[in-house]
Amino acid sequence: EVQLVESGGGVVRPGGSLTLSCVASGFTFEDYAMSWVRQLPGKGLEWVTGIKWNGGDAGYVDSVKGRFSISRDNTKNSLSLQMNSLRAEDTALYYCARGQSGGWSSAPEYWGQGTLVTVSS
Amino acid sequence: DIQMTQSPSSLSASVGDRVTITCRASQGIRNDLNWYLQKPGKAPKRLIYAASSLQSGVPSRFSGSGSGTEFTFTISSLQPEDFATYYCLQYNTFPLTFGGGTKVEIK
Repeated sequence: EVQLVESGGGVVRPGGSLTLSCVASGFTFEDYAMSWVRQLPGKGLEWVTGIKWNGGDAGYVDSVKGRFSISRDNTKNSLSLQMNSLRAEDTALYYCARGQSGGWSSAPEYWGQGTLVTVSS
Repeated sequence: DIQMTQSPSSLSASVGDRVTITCRASQGIRNDLNWYLQKPGKAPKRLIYAASSLQSGVPSRFSGSGSGTEFTFTISSLQPEDFATYYCLQYNTFPLTFGGGTKVEIK
């Protein structure tokens, strides 16, 4: 059974930083792209970033480019999202998701339960 | 960015009803489209991939069709557990983009 468990969410002040983590199990982690998708409170879904199976390439939505950085450690079946210069509009539930395939833009197939990030002074 | 226009944004239906949701892409995306279901407080779940392929374990009352710019998601006979919000997602072109969602409520 595919399992994705996120952690690291919390309350942070505008301009602050936070690192989200996701630990995967139940599949061969190194075979699949991974991504982060967020959901603003009471709103729809927004794909934020994705990383190729080997970590060799990644993409970001324009609103986070230059502020967020995705990485993975295939030896530890883990995915990270480093978030810097956080803004109020980054407040959301962040989901870790496994892709359908290995390319960094692979659509999410399985999702974690999410970790909540609140940016507030 | 490709805009995904999903309609309706909400609908009311009864158990046993046939329900249809539409997603329109602002440019052609071949069949690179998924459909997801999300229940309150839960993570999304993929139901349909590649526009018309049913996810393993998903009931056959769910189906999808379309290619290019017009896509349809259908529930042939609505069940009580199907009341939820549904989203389409295009993965043809970076960045991936979701439709705005359709909330299916009990009439």
